[in-house]
Amino acid sequence: EPEVTQTPSHQVTQMGQEVILHCVPISNHLYFYWYRQILGQKVEFLVSFYNNEISEKSEIFDDQFSVERPDGSNFTLKIRSTKLEDSAMYFCASSELLETQYFGPGTRLLVL
Amino acid sequence: QKEVEQDPGPLSVPEGAIVSLNCTYSNSAFQYFMWYRQYSRKGPELLMYTYSSGNKEDGRFTAQVDKSSKYISLFIRDSQPSDSATYLCAMRKTSGSRLTFGEGTQLTVNP
Repeated sequence: EPEVTQTPSHQVTQMGQEVILHCVPISNHLYFYWYRQILGQKVEFLVSFYNNEISEKSEIFDDQFSVERPDGSNFTLKIRSTKLEDSAMYFCASSELLETQYFGPGTRLLVL
Repeated sequence: QKEVEQDPGPLSVPEGAIVSLNCTYSNSAFQYFMWYRQYSRKGPELLMYTYSSGNKEDGRFTAQVDKSSKYISLFIRDSQPSDSATYLCAMRKTSGSRLTFGEGTQLTVNP
């Protein structure tokens, strides 16, 4: 069964450093998303991407965040200058239709 | 008032019990409703998706939506220890792609 994959599974970085989180969505899906979950809190939407552009973003997704689909299979989230409060589990998701969003296993980001 | 409210539990039931999980929401713009299951330190796994009011059944799982009351439910019949997980409700407005999640209910099914 096709699934969303994410790398790395864990990432430790120093405050102020840039990180790039990688995702390979399900191959025939057209919509891509990033969500995050701070430990003990609810899953929060960051951004959605369709037709090579951002279709929606939340108030969390400020100028330090960016997304890119560098080729036909990868979808990345870049955090330019990490802060302590960026420590969270980051989930990539993809969907063929808007309702059925399938999530990857997540990247656990720890900012020291 | 939170847009989506879900009792975090924890909820502990014996194997074989019927489990009822619920969410309420405040914004009538939510029209699409999903239930996800999340095992510890894993990604959410889509269980059920519903659009209209009424029931939808898939094996041991039944999703119920009551838009007039802004209330959704997930029922699990003949619960198994492998059902032990956190169950997340999520919903989407007609306009927009973002899912808004509840806080999740932690369920333990005891053998």
